[in-house]
Amino acid sequence: KNQVEQSPQSLIILEGKNCTLQCNYTVSPFSNLRWYKQDTGRGPVSLTIMTFSENTKSNGRYTATLDADTKQSSLHITASQLSDSASYICVVSLSGGSYIPTFGRGTSLIVHP
Amino acid sequence: DGGITQSPKYLFRKEGQNVTLSCEQNLNHDAMYWYRQDPGQGLRLIYYSQIVNDFQKGDIAEGYSVSREKKESFPLTVTSAQKNPTAFYLCASSGQGGETQYFGPGTRLLVL
Repeated sequence: KNQVEQSPQSLIILEGKNCTLQCNYTVSPFSNLRWYKQDTGRGPVSLTIMTFSENTKSNGRYTATLDADTKQSSLHITASQLSDSASYICVVSLSGGSYIPTFGRGTSLIVHP
Repeated sequence: DGGITQSPKYLFRKEGQNVTLSCEQNLNHDAMYWYRQDPGQGLRLIYYSQIVNDFQKGDIAEGYSVSREKKESFPLTVTSAQKNPTAFYLCASSGQGGETQYFGPGTRLLVL
């Protein structure tokens, strides 16, 4: 069964600190992996997308990594800001143009001043 | 200004009532999707449509219905058969399967 597991479930950090969120998946055959940011009460917004051949992708203070061999991804947030408080969702798509990606449950991040 | 819109932002349903959630996109995307989000859970697929006049059931289609008469629009009806409709509903669109899905702002449905 295709699954995406995220850890930790929730995380609290102080403003200015770095943090790393984890995503493990069993989706196969793999096409791509996306990280989304979802602010409370809003729709998710795509942060990064990585295909099989990519192992690092940055978007400002967000850096995603992918190890396709171990089926693991991480999202590293540098110098956190209060606006980083949100849920971060890992989404994995099957190859072959599947319309049904597999969503993780998300990691809830709270950044305190 | 391209994007995907949902209305209303909040919707209240009475017992036995059908309600319809609106979703419109001007991104010229072929595919559209409806998801349900409950606290502490991942997004669950209700219905999706790959092209106009075609749609398929997702994992939790029971108690819901959709139509896709226009490329830009994909309304979702929550019927009285859906016994636990309180949730946050998200609409999304994408160019093709496997491409990035762009989400609307969501509609929160509450039961009176």
